[in-house]
Amino acid sequence: NAGVTQTPKFRILKIGQSMTLQCTQDMNHNYMYWYRQDPGMGLKLIYYSVGAGITDKGEVPNGYNVSRSTTEDFPLRLELAAPSQTSVYFCASRTDRSYEQYFGPGTRLTVT
Amino acid sequence: AQSVTQPDIHITVSEGASLELRCNYSYGATPYLFWYVQSPGQGLQLLLKYFSGDTLVQGIKGFEAEFKRSQSSFNLRKPSVHWSDAAEYFCAVGGTSYGKLTFGQGTILTVHP
Repeated sequence: NAGVTQTPKFRILKIGQSMTLQCTQDMNHNYMYWYRQDPGMGLKLIYYSVGAGITDKGEVPNGYNVSRSTTEDFPLRLELAAPSQTSVYFCASRTDRSYEQYFGPGTRLTVT
Repeated sequence: AQSVTQPDIHITVSEGASLELRCNYSYGATPYLFWYVQSPGQGLQLLLKYFSGDTLVQGIKGFEAEFKRSQSSFNLRKPSVHWSDAAEYFCAVGGTSYGKLTFGQGTILTVHP
């Protein structure tokens, strides 16, 4: 049981490039979340999903897109990378019955 | 709107000393409250949670927290800190709105030998 996995662990992008951050969980959780973490700012919710085919915006969705075609996967897409998207990105999931979220190890992204 | 404030950005304690990390929240109904810990370069690990019932909750690694509704607080405590407790600690509040969590800014704990 691997829990929540994220790839890649590190990535450097040039301004204007695009990429997809991968997130997979093997716990059969319906709820999944994407956060970004910036120093001194805590974690901010980007997007979330309540099940396959259902996604919605969080607090800071601009510049990102998501999809949820399966229960296991919840990729985060950056279309035109900007320096403001330099951050550490965390994916999380939870069961329907409990509000505690399980986090992946994170992806550190630098946009230059 | 829900919000969380952790007033202390950085706390330094000596090994063996007691610890209290403060957390104040704003939420319109009964909140679900969490403390997470993050070691450098790692993801977030759940220390403890409060959903209902006993207002003093026990967590992993010898941590506990007390929910005080009248003060809108959920402070984290440990009677004797170990050097391995050095990390960043996050308080979070959530509710029934799709279980979305709002995090505080975090408190960095440094432990002196």
